[in-house]
Amino acid sequence: EADIYQTPRYLVIGTGKKITLECSQTMGHDKMYWYQQDPGMELHLIHYSYGVNSTEKGDLSSESTVSRIRTEHFPLTLESARPSHTSQYLCASTGGNNSPLHFGNGTRLTVT
Amino acid sequence: KNEVEQSPQNLTAQEGEFITINCSYSVGISALHWLQQHPGGGIVSLFMLSSGKKKHGRLIATINIQEKHSSLHITASHPRDSAVYICAVRWGSGGGADGLTFGKGTHLIIQP
Repeated sequence: EADIYQTPRYLVIGTGKKITLECSQTMGHDKMYWYQQDPGMELHLIHYSYGVNSTEKGDLSSESTVSRIRTEHFPLTLESARPSHTSQYLCASTGGNNSPLHFGNGTRLTVT
Repeated sequence: KNEVEQSPQNLTAQEGEFITINCSYSVGISALHWLQQHPGGGIVSLFMLSSGKKKHGRLIATINIQEKHSSLHITASHPRDSAVYICAVRWGSGGGADGLTFGKGTHLIIQP
């Protein structure tokens, strides 16, 4: 039973379009993350947040931005989608550094 | 650079076999996560441990802090265990953004 929700599940969009991937969690977690994962590859951190109004860039250089206006909501925005953004995007949250990670089901993005 | 190594990369076994997946890391950690990713893409947290051993159903996770090594065991394996198993470590200090690094994953196939 998912307590962290991502929408849309699949998205096909043309080059140059602006898109927002949604992520919401109902567990009251302060820490939230966005990961990018290409098929058969490991997860790469692109953004994270330690709470409201806190956002940081991850290890992977990304042309996306995030916001954290509410604890439960951590949307990811691509201002101008490109074919190189085609990937799976996974959102996660945790209650603390030594607490389990909770993942959403992911958004599979294809940019044509 | 702090590293996480998983072995084997790929494993095919027959139903009922005892499965072991290994994870080694380079420096001190505060916690280690074992995650399961099914073909649909969603990720489920199996275990989080910082010492000793944990058991849940047919799954057992162990960690040896001195040897910087963890193992995930599956007893009486079943085709529904087929998935990618991912080790992730939270470093004791440093180690990149948010201090969490993922292994490349072990792709497990259990044949009936």
